[in-house]
Amino acid sequence: DVKVTQSSRYLVKRTGEKVFLECVQDMDHENMFWYRQDPGLGLRLIYFSYDVKMKEKGDIPEGYSVSREKKERFSLILESASTNQTSMYLCASSPIAGVGTDTQYFGPGTRLTVL
Amino acid sequence: SQQGEEDPQALSIQEGENATMNCSYKTSINNLQWYRQNSGRGLVHLILIRSNEREKHSGRLRVTLDTSKKSSSLLITASRAADTASYFCATDANDYKLSFGAGTTVTVRA
Repeated sequence: DVKVTQSSRYLVKRTGEKVFLECVQDMDHENMFWYRQDPGLGLRLIYFSYDVKMKEKGDIPEGYSVSREKKERFSLILESASTNQTSMYLCASSPIAGVGTDTQYFGPGTRLTVL
Repeated sequence: SQQGEEDPQALSIQEGENATMNCSYKTSINNLQWYRQNSGRGLVHLILIRSNEREKHSGRLRVTLDTSKKSSSLLITASRAADTASYFCATDANDYKLSFGAGTTVTVRA
């Protein structure tokens, strides 16, 4: 079974802190994704990566950056956390797609609170 | 931006009843997927239906796709308490990326 793990289930940080969220997958997937999930808004894509050291902006990249130094690890960085970044953060991975986009495998999520 | 929109937003049913939820989307797709999310957890893939398919089954799940109406439905038959969750449809608006709706919250009463 594919396993996607995230470094923390719950995280509390203060405004202005630099925050690192880590995600690791064990299935040698090429693609990795970071989403945030807010009530009534569904999942919104922050960044994704289709290869090591490659990244592309999603729908809401402002205030975030990412790092993918190794294939299995994809990190989300909040350079200076703000209260409007309080949210549930979900990491996902998927293999290279054939026609269309393949199934994504999700981690358990990190609920981040910024005070 | 959201490509898929689920309807209804919330659904409450008795154990043993069927639950039906719908998804509408705006642009052409290669495939449509349904995911389940238990409270406070990550999403779990349920089923993928390709644009050239009209119906697909997996256990107690039945998914239909009508590309002419740009809509899909998910039917859960003989619901159980463990089916209590949020259900999301996801469409592949662009390669690599999925676009998720806001979800339907299903509560199954014992």
